[in-house]
Amino acid sequence: AQSVTQLDSQVPVFEEAPVELRCNYSSSVSVYLFWYVQYPNQGLQLLLKYLSGSTLVKGINGFEAEFNKSQTSFHLRKPSVHISDTAEYFCAVTKYNFNKFYFGSGTKLNVKP
Amino acid sequence: EAGVTQFPSHSVIEKGQTVTLRCDPISGHDNLYWYRRVMGKEIKFLLHFVKESKQDESGMPNNRFLAERTGGTYSTLKVQPAELEDSGVYFCASSNRQGPPHEQYFGPGTRLTVT
Repeated sequence: AQSVTQLDSQVPVFEEAPVELRCNYSSSVSVYLFWYVQYPNQGLQLLLKYLSGSTLVKGINGFEAEFNKSQTSFHLRKPSVHISDTAEYFCAVTKYNFNKFYFGSGTKLNVKP
Repeated sequence: EAGVTQFPSHSVIEKGQTVTLRCDPISGHDNLYWYRRVMGKEIKFLLHFVKESKQDESGMPNNRFLAERTGGTYSTLKVQPAELEDSGVYFCASSNRQGPPHEQYFGPGTRLTVT
């Protein structure tokens, strides 16, 4: 079975600073990885996904993530955050031909001025 | 294009009452999913419809939960009778195709509070 761990429940950071949100997963088979973001009072929005190919994936709003198979990680990064990045971020995994997602418990990113 | 909508946005009910949550997927999306997030924990899969058929209901907690998708359009999730542990945010998602892994489009969720 798959499981996803987001080690940091909250990450405070100052505006224009870099940020990394950590995600580790466990699975006995190849997985596909996603990051979703939830802004206040909105649904989850896809930030980026890794299906195959280059392990460095670029997403919307300047975010990127790197798939590391040996460390079973898919950390999300942004070199310079903005106030508008304040939101909750969810890492999710699924496997080929499999429709349900397994989510982590979420990381609240709080960007301070 | 309208996104996934859910109604109501919030619901507060007493233990033992019945509540029905509704999800309208994106038009044309055959796949509809229900997920639930209990306070501060991970978002957990409940079930998956393909059109009006239940493809996977392995995440449904117990028989107090009943999901339907008549006509393959909108879906309802009924909780009867509600218990305190049913409190949480219920998300609906839809997609227009099945595997390989694809994006699921999520609604804003229904926050259910059982007192």
